[in-house]
Amino acid sequence: NAGVTQTPKFQVLKTGQSMTLQCAQDMNHEYMSWYRQDPGMGLRLIHYSVGAGITDQGEVPNGYNVSRSTTEDFPLRLLSAAPSQTSVYFCASSLDRTEFGANVLTFGAGSRLTVL
Amino acid sequence: ELKVEQNPLFLSMQEGKNYTIYCNYSTTSDRLYWYRQDPGKSLESLFVLLSNGAVKQEGRLMASLDTKARLSTLHITAAVHDLSATYFCAVDGSGAGSYQLTFGKGTKLSVIP
Repeated sequence: NAGVTQTPKFQVLKTGQSMTLQCAQDMNHEYMSWYRQDPGMGLRLIHYSVGAGITDQGEVPNGYNVSRSTTEDFPLRLLSAAPSQTSVYFCASSLDRTEFGANVLTFGAGSRLTVL
Repeated sequence: ELKVEQNPLFLSMQEGKNYTIYCNYSTTSDRLYWYRQDPGKSLESLFVLLSNGAVKQEGRLMASLDTKARLSTLHITAAVHDLSATYFCAVDGSGAGSYQLTFGKGTKLSVIP
């Protein structure tokens, strides 16, 4: 089991460029999400998905797009990168609630993005 | 809007000492999670607390949940250097259909030998 796999691990972009952060999980998890982590800010939810074909916005969705065409993949697209999007991005997944109602996330290793 | 506040945000303690990290949240929820993050690494789940009065322990860490006070604590007993990390609490949004975890800002713990 690879768990949650994110690529790339590091990326440098220029302002205005677009790119896609890839996220794949092999645990048959229904729920997937993207967070960004900034110093002193904790983790903030960008977008999430409760199953293939279903996505929704989190706390900080502006400037990002997502899609969920398969259960396994949940890519995050930056349409026109801005320096404010410099951050570490984490993809996470979980079962659609355990029998106890818990939503325990399994995180990927993270993708460090710098926008110049 | 759900707010989650942790304190302290930074904690430097000597090996062998005890200390408590606090996590307050602003709305009704009975599902609270603690995660650990080592420097430059990802987050890993430590505890899941699913009801009022829940207590979980692993090694030198013990977590508890008081839903009436909207408070969770992470107690460290006889700290060792290996516990140095950033600890996050996260709260599940209210309602059976919510999947949004809101995280605190994290408590960076440094255990000094």
